[in-house]
Amino acid sequence: DTGVSQNPRHKITKRGQNVTFRCDPISEHNRLYWYRQTLGQGPEFLTYFQNEAQLEKSRLLSDRFSAERPKGSFSTLEIQRTEQGDSAMYLCASSLEEGRLAGEPANVLTFGAGSRLTVL
Amino acid sequence: KQEVTQIPAALSVPEGENLVLNCSFTDSAIYNLQWFRQDPGKGLTSLLLIQSSQREQTSGRLNASLDKSSGRSTLYIAASQPGDSATYLCAVRPLRTGTYKYIFGTGTRLKVLA
Repeated sequence: DTGVSQNPRHKITKRGQNVTFRCDPISEHNRLYWYRQTLGQGPEFLTYFQNEAQLEKSRLLSDRFSAERPKGSFSTLEIQRTEQGDSAMYLCASSLEEGRLAGEPANVLTFGAGSRLTVL
Repeated sequence: KQEVTQIPAALSVPEGENLVLNCSFTDSAIYNLQWFRQDPGKGLTSLLLIQSSQREQTSGRLNASLDKSSGRSTLYIAASQPGDSATYLCAVRPLRTGTYKYIFGTGTRLKVLA
């Protein structure tokens, strides 16, 4: 397993366009998180999936943001009608639920390298 | 509302020094706490996870302690090396039914001088 993979690594778009980011978690991990990080700040929580169910969403996730994890494997994060304030690094992380896989550490977050969004 | 603070925001030390990074949180009802390292422009790498019932965890030159009652955690780095230069972040998961998110501090940017 090569860890958590995120694509694209960098996206430059014009204001008003839609963008989609993809995250491929570690295959055994049933928990998946999306975070947003701006320069000099810690990551801010956006949303959480357990298997295919979206169980938690931040109030930061306006109606322009939508996330899916259709088969409990990869996830997508779409931003519609992008604004300059959406410029940030979008980070995906996955982890294993307790008791899911004997001998494997639970709850340890493994992050991808991130997808950097620049909105012009 | 849980808030996580890391002080100092930046730290510069000579190689070989032992150092302590601080993390404080406002609500002691936590499920666990994790320490991460982040290199510029990269994702985060997990260093240590401490469950709420634990007092400390160790990995190599790193030791993390947890004092829930005072809302504090420290990350101790022994014999620092230039390769330790990075931003160190702590994150807590609140102990609340139905929440799985982690709340991050803003990090401490460490520079170890050769």
